[in-house]
Amino acid sequence: EAQVTQNPRYLITVTGKKLTVTCSQNMNHEYMSWYRQDPGLGLRQIYYSMNVEVTDKGDVPEGYKVSRKEKRNFPLILESPSPNQTSLYFCASSLSNRNNEKLFFGSGTQLSVL
Amino acid sequence: DQQVKQNSPSLSVQEGRISILNCDYTNSMFDYFLWYKKYPAEGPTFLISISSIKDKNEDGRFTVFLNKSAKHLSLHIVPSQPGDSAVYFCAASESFGNEKLTFGTGTRLTIIP
Repeated sequence: EAQVTQNPRYLITVTGKKLTVTCSQNMNHEYMSWYRQDPGLGLRQIYYSMNVEVTDKGDVPEGYKVSRKEKRNFPLILESPSPNQTSLYFCASSLSNRNNEKLFFGSGTQLSVL
Repeated sequence: DQQVKQNSPSLSVQEGRISILNCDYTNSMFDYFLWYKKYPAEGPTFLISISSIKDKNEDGRFTVFLNKSAKHLSLHIVPSQPGDSAVYFCAASESFGNEKLTFGTGTRLTIIP
């Protein structure tokens, strides 16, 4: 089954404790992206990757890191999480970055930073 | 600066009636528009899209209308069904592609049986 898999689904952590949210897709997609969803703000892009070893900042990259060492994986790293990073996170992928290529989203990771 | 706006956070519609979800944008460079649908505890899924060279695109019960002069698009669902209850996100991009995709804040649609 074609899918984007995120782990974990839920995570509670404390300020400053490094964490990684994993994202994997099995569709051989070139383009991958991370979004956060917050009430009243919709989905905002954190980082994206056009292909292996090619990553770039989205609209809200502060406090986040990503890597794209393999085509299928695109982990989101919070080196020192803070309470304002409490949010619902989505990973997404598409065949290419062309704007008519629909995005496939993971099921989301609900992160709470205390 | 919210470039894509969905001014109605929620909407309730009787089953069988038409649901109309609205979206306004401010960036005149946007040339591709999409609607995504999201159920609780799931990620958004693509619903329908429209290019700026068209003013209407239809897919079954779903039709998207684009009014470029007003910078407005709308999603019509006819007839509305209980399974349509979800949050709907409008999104827009310039010709660069998905790396510049901008989402609206979402509208929660509730279909009343």
